[in-house]
Amino acid sequence: ETGVTQTPRHLVMGMTNKKSLKCEQHLGHNAMYWYKQSAKKPLELMFVYNFKEQTENNSVPSRFSPECPNSSHLFLHLHTLQPEDSALYLCASSQERQILTGELFFGEGSRLTVL
Amino acid sequence: AQSVAQPEDQVNVAEGNPLTVKCTYSVSGNPYLFWYVQYPNRGLQFLLKYITGDNLVKGSYGFEAEFNKSQTSFHLKKPSALVSDSALYFCAVRDEDSGYALNFGKGTSLLVTP
Repeated sequence: ETGVTQTPRHLVMGMTNKKSLKCEQHLGHNAMYWYKQSAKKPLELMFVYNFKEQTENNSVPSRFSPECPNSSHLFLHLHTLQPEDSALYLCASSQERQILTGELFFGEGSRLTVL
Repeated sequence: AQSVAQPEDQVNVAEGNPLTVKCTYSVSGNPYLFWYVQYPNRGLQFLLKYITGDNLVKGSYGFEAEFNKSQTSFHLKKPSALVSDSALYFCAVRDEDSGYALNFGKGTSLLVTP
C-alpha cells in the first residue's frame, strides 16, 4: 500500500467512448502527476498539478483532459481515444516543499485498452 | 535538458551473485538521482535516491547505488541477488531546471535465476 489509489485498475473502451481515471492520495502531498507507461518506452510525464494548479502539460493531445479538484484527488478524462493510447497510466504524488529532492509515490496504475 | 540512459534492456544474474544495473545521466545543473523498481502489474516503488553527500547511497531491500560525478553514472548494485529481485528497474533524474518533472530511463529488466 503506497498511499496512492487508482481506479479502475483495468479499463477497455472503444474509440468513441468517454471514460475517466481516478487517483486519490492519502499522504498529505500537494503535487500530483499523471505518467503514461508504454512498452519499451521511458515513462512519459503528461501533467503535473501543484496545489490544484496545473504546472506542466507536456504537449498532451486534447483527448486527454486532467482535472484536480483538490490536493488529494486527480482525474484523467478520456474521450475519442486512439488504439495507440493503450498503455498503463500511472498517478503519483510528492511533497511540494521537496520539489527537487522528494521522491514520487506511485499508484498501482490503470491499464487502458482502446479498441 | 535532463536525460537518463539505461544501456541494458535486460540483465541476467544467478541467485547469490552480485548484480549491477547501469544508469548514466545528463543534466545542466546538480543532479538529483533516483532508482525505482516495478513488479509485474504494479506501480513503481521507490528504492533510493542521491541528493548530496556520500557517493554511496543505501536503500530498500539491500540495494545500494554509487554516484560517480566524473562518469555521470548512478549504477544500482546489490551484493547478493535474490530470485525475488526479478523486476523492472528504472533510473530517474531531476535538476534545478526540471522542476517537478522526474525524467525516467526506459527501464532494465532484471532476471535472477535459481
